Amino acid sequence: AQSVAQPEDQVNVAEGNPLTVKCTYSVSGNPYLFWYVQYPNRGLQFLLKYITGDNLVKGSYGFEAEFNKSQTSFHLKKPSALVSDSALYFCAVRDGNSGTYKYIFGTGTRLKVLA
Amino acid sequence: GAGVSQSPSNKVTEKGKDVELRCDPISGHTALYWYRQSLGQGLEFLIYFQGNSAPDKSGLPSDRFSAERTGGSVSTLTIQRTQQEDSAVYLCASSLEPTAGNTIYFGEGSWLTVV
Repeated sequence: AQSVAQPEDQVNVAEGNPLTVKCTYSVSGNPYLFWYVQYPNRGLQFLLKYITGDNLVKGSYGFEAEFNKSQTSFHLKKPSALVSDSALYFCAVRDGNSGTYKYIFGTGTRLKVLA
Repeated sequence: GAGVSQSPSNKVTEKGKDVELRCDPISGHTALYWYRQSLGQGLEFLIYFQGNSAPDKSGLPSDRFSAERTGGSVSTLTIQRTQQEDSAVYLCASSLEPTAGNTIYFGEGSWLTVV
């Protein structure tokens, strides 16, 4: 069965500092991994995804994520945080081999960037 | 349309009443998903459509929940005899095809409150 874990409910970081939001996953086949951001009272916006190839993927708003197969992780990173990055971040996985169509989401991590 | 459109954006209903939530996916998107987001929770998969058929409806919480899709486009999620625990944000998403690597794009959601 597919699963995603986001171990931190909240991450606080000072503006200008690097940020990391953690995500680990479990699938039986090849993982397809996604990050989304949700601002208050809004839907989810796509940030980036890993399908295959280079383990470091770059996405919107300066975010990037590193796929680590041995650690089954897909942590979201940004070199320098902005106050406007404060939002709820969701990691999602889809199993490429299982014949399932579901995208499984983590419980979300609230990022708070402090001025 | 330019994005996934959901209506109503907000709905307050009395316990025991039926509600219908509508989703208009991005034009040309054949895959359509419904998710539920409860306060403080992650996203819970409800149902997936490919065209007008629903190969996976495993996430529907009870027989009070049903969904249909017509013309390979608009989908309606119906909740009968609403209960207070149905209060949540109902999110619709769509993608070009159900291929595992495809990104799903979300609407702004329908916020349902059952009083």
